[in-house]
Amino acid sequence: GAVVSQHPSRVICKSGTSVKIECRSLDFQATTMFWYRQFPKQSLMLMATSNEGSKATYEQGVEKDKFLINHASLTLSTLTVTSAHPEDSSFYICSARARGKGGETQYFGPGTRLLVL
Amino acid sequence: AQKITQTQPGMFVQEKEAVTLDCTYDTSDPSYGLFWYKQPSSGEMIFLIYQGSYDQQNATEGRYSLNFQKARKSANLVISASQLGDSAMYFCAVRWSGNTPLVFGKGTRLSVIA
Repeated sequence: GAVVSQHPSRVICKSGTSVKIECRSLDFQATTMFWYRQFPKQSLMLMATSNEGSKATYEQGVEKDKFLINHASLTLSTLTVTSAHPEDSSFYICSARARGKGGETQYFGPGTRLLVL
Repeated sequence: AQKITQTQPGMFVQEKEAVTLDCTYDTSDPSYGLFWYKQPSSGEMIFLIYQGSYDQQNATEGRYSLNFQKARKSANLVISASQLGDSAMYFCAVRWSGNTPLVFGKGTRLSVIA
């Protein structure tokens, strides 16, 4: 299947700092990428849809000023958690759509574990 | 409202046995795609199998098969000949239509015992 990378894989930061997470599609071009958040023992919750060259579409309840998303190229989307607080500690996973078996399949990055102290 | 339900929070299966993980969904859309993903403790989401709502045949991928019952809005995952490495969280997901993102069920934790 298609390969999606994420960096960093884990990050620990102090409260009030900003953290940037990169998501790259390595062997295909992704016009659309998705950002999910997963709290322990819970399911993935969609945060936003990131479209190359345009503004991201945020899900209800997700603060766009806190979670800045930039999709500058067909292979790179970034999520910046601004002024992070302990409640932002979570597992963040990006996903990109590529043509796979049965049509458009979403492939996921390995995720980024964020811990805010 | 469109909704995905996985009723089994946890399942146990003996090694080499088959296991069925349940997934039901609620939609009035005629066109949608059904997916199953595996999430081991490392956190990565591994794509397992896909079924389109118009596909006549049940999807199969190696030891994975999808028991698709459209009228019942059911898309159960069957894992045959379970292996210890199958122990993980399993998520059912649906793409309702067009270019919409996947929406996930709450997941089922499968434990394979020797």
